[in-house]
Amino acid sequence: DQQVKQNSPSLSVQEGRISILNCDYTNSMFDYFLWYKKYPAEGPTFLISISSIKDKNEDGRFTVFLNKSAKHLSLHIVPSQPGDSAVYFCAASYSGSARQLTFGSGTQLTVLP
Amino acid sequence: EAGVAQSPRYKIIEKRQSVAFWCNPISGHATLYWYQQILGQGPKLLIQFQNNGVVDDSQLPKDRFSAERLKGVDSTLKIQPAKLEDSAVYLCASSSGTGPSNYGYTFGSGTRLTVV
Repeated sequence: DQQVKQNSPSLSVQEGRISILNCDYTNSMFDYFLWYKKYPAEGPTFLISISSIKDKNEDGRFTVFLNKSAKHLSLHIVPSQPGDSAVYFCAASYSGSARQLTFGSGTQLTVLP
Repeated sequence: EAGVAQSPRYKIIEKRQSVAFWCNPISGHATLYWYQQILGQGPKLLIQFQNNGVVDDSQLPKDRFSAERLKGVDSTLKIQPAKLEDSAVYLCASSSGTGPSNYGYTFGSGTRLTVV
């Protein structure tokens, strides 16, 4: 039972253009969502998060959008840079879960110079 | 601030052998997690500690996996005996439990286990 889904295993984008990574969830109890970036041979590093009381959160080139009715969130990276090439994981948590994270399967983003 | 330390970085063992992984969390972080990441999948929680007590081990295959966090600081995860399907990256994370952005979650670099 996959509660957090990232249906696109990979995405290629030209440098300078927008990257849009998508994530869907099924558990209505989730109220906090996070994006992590992972380089090979390293652990995931936190990128940006959003609470369910918001529909948008911005941090520099990164913006996360949340559509609660559709149980969908997306990460926008503008402009994309070659250094952004990594695996991006969507994760979710809810208040009663002792801050345990449920992860999606990840999307490999490749930014082409 | 030093990060989450894990060792070894890589381990290759034969099936039915035993193996142990070590994690030293960020100083002062009360909560420690072990995640298993199988190739092509996202990390999956195995066990969560709060200080030296277990908060949740419902997804830990207890017939072969065990974990402890003596003295509420560093932790070890053991597999005995290992199966082929245990091949994965084992990630340790720690959290201060506070902070609006990500609960202060920090992951280590992981231990890549290959069972042959």
